[in-house]
Amino acid sequence: AQKITQTQPGMFVQEKEAVTLDCTYDTSDPSYGLFWYKQPSSGEMIFLIYQGSYDQQNATEGRYSLNFQKARKSANLVISASQLGDSAMYFCAMREGLRRGSQGNLIFGKGTKLSVKP
Amino acid sequence: GAGVSQSPSNKVTEKGKDVELRCDPISGHTALYWYRQRLGQGLEFLIYFQGNSAPDKSGLPSDRFSAERTGESVSTLTIQRTQQEDSAVYLCASSSPKRVELFFGEGSRLTVL
Repeated sequence: AQKITQTQPGMFVQEKEAVTLDCTYDTSDPSYGLFWYKQPSSGEMIFLIYQGSYDQQNATEGRYSLNFQKARKSANLVISASQLGDSAMYFCAMREGLRRGSQGNLIFGKGTKLSVKP
Repeated sequence: GAGVSQSPSNKVTEKGKDVELRCDPISGHTALYWYRQRLGQGLEFLIYFQGNSAPDKSGLPSDRFSAERTGESVSTLTIQRTQQEDSAVYLCASSSPKRVELFFGEGSRLTVL
């Protein structure tokens, strides 16, 4: 089974509107972290936001927020007030074994291509 | 430099040749990761180093792929007898125990003719 599932290959959003990018995950480890990265056409990977499995509050970073629903194993990214520069690939990722102090690898989903329309 | 540095940025090679890709992590970062990204695809994990040991080599696709790391410094990913399916961008990342996120380099684009 896939560890990270992003079901939306592509999404369109109108400039200034909000958009939600879906991510579900699969793990039996109680201690894990969830990440979102942005990859513009230039290819660089830009870290956006992080949510730990034991965090009580949903993470927020500026216009980015993470809608963390632990029981449903979902970690959707919400981008508010979309801008043209938000057009990019967005990847959800997970790291397991945080309680063991692991710096182990991130497992990535296949990504969602977001296009912001003017 | 301040970020993760990879070289070469672009490499074109002929099928059957060996290639070496280099990664300089951020100073002080103990963990180093290699990923492969084929065109239009997600990131595929290859190998992870903690210091100069590799606790997780599970992603290396075949014995043609190997990697090493000197201390907590430079890493080299070697692909022997390259095949056309090896064509991809190879991304290196590093991380510190003090931060959760991985910091990525700009990648090495490999094209095997």
